[in-house]
Amino acid sequence: GAVVSQHPSRVICKSGTSVKIECRSLDFQATTMFWYRQFPKQSLMLMATSNEGSKATYEQGVEKDKFLINHASLTLSTLTVTSAHPEDSSFYICSAQEGPSGDTQYFGPGTRLTVL
Amino acid sequence: AQTVTQSQPEMSVQEAETVTLSCTYDTSESNYYLFWYKQPPSRQMILVIRQEAYKQQNATENRFSVNFQKAAKSFSLKISDSQLGDTAMYFCAFGAGNMLTFGGGTRLMVKP
Repeated sequence: GAVVSQHPSRVICKSGTSVKIECRSLDFQATTMFWYRQFPKQSLMLMATSNEGSKATYEQGVEKDKFLINHASLTLSTLTVTSAHPEDSSFYICSAQEGPSGDTQYFGPGTRLTVL
Repeated sequence: AQTVTQSQPEMSVQEAETVTLSCTYDTSESNYYLFWYKQPPSRQMILVIRQEAYKQQNATENRFSVNFQKAAKSFSLKISDSQLGDTAMYFCAFGAGNMLTFGGGTRLMVKP
C-alpha cells in the first residue's frame, strides 16, 4: 500500500516552455501533497504544500508564479514549471500524506527536468 | 525552525555486519515525529522507520532499529546484518505539523 506515482520520470524541454509534472496517490486519498526539489548530492528542499481544493502554500524563496501547483482531487496534484530556464533543471519529487498532520509522507519516484 | 544534522557524509560496512548512522536535531516543539528514509540509486525515497517522540520505546522494523534519545535530541539508525541492497543515501527527517525537515544525508556503501 501507500504507492505514489509521478509522471513523467524524465523530461527535456527548451528554455521558455512550460512543463507539467503529475503526482498521483494510487491506493489512498491524500489530504495533503508536497513538492520537493533535490539538487545533485543534496537533500530535499520543500517547495510547497497543497491541500485538495485549496491554494498551495509556498516556502520562502519559491516563486509561486513560476511553480504553479494544482491539487484538483484527493489523488492528483500537478506542478507546472512555467517559462522554464536552465537553472530550473533539477530533480522534483512529490509526496502524499493520507491522514492529518504528523502522518507519514509517501514519496513518488521523482521527475528529472532538464531545460536546454 | 528545526534543524537536522547528519554528521557522517559517507560510511561503509561489510556485508552481514552492523552499522549505525547518526542524526541529531534541534527543536522547541514538544509534539513531533522522526523518520529515516532511504534513497537508493533509483532515487525513490523509501520509508525505513518512524518514531513518535512521545513514545519511549525505540522503533524496530526487521533489521532496522533506532536509538531515540529525546533529552539529547539524538535519533540514530542501526542496520543489522547489512545487505548489498542497503546501499543508498539515508536521510533523517524531523516532522512537526505537516512539515518535514531533512538532514543532509549519509551515503552508505555495503561492501561484499
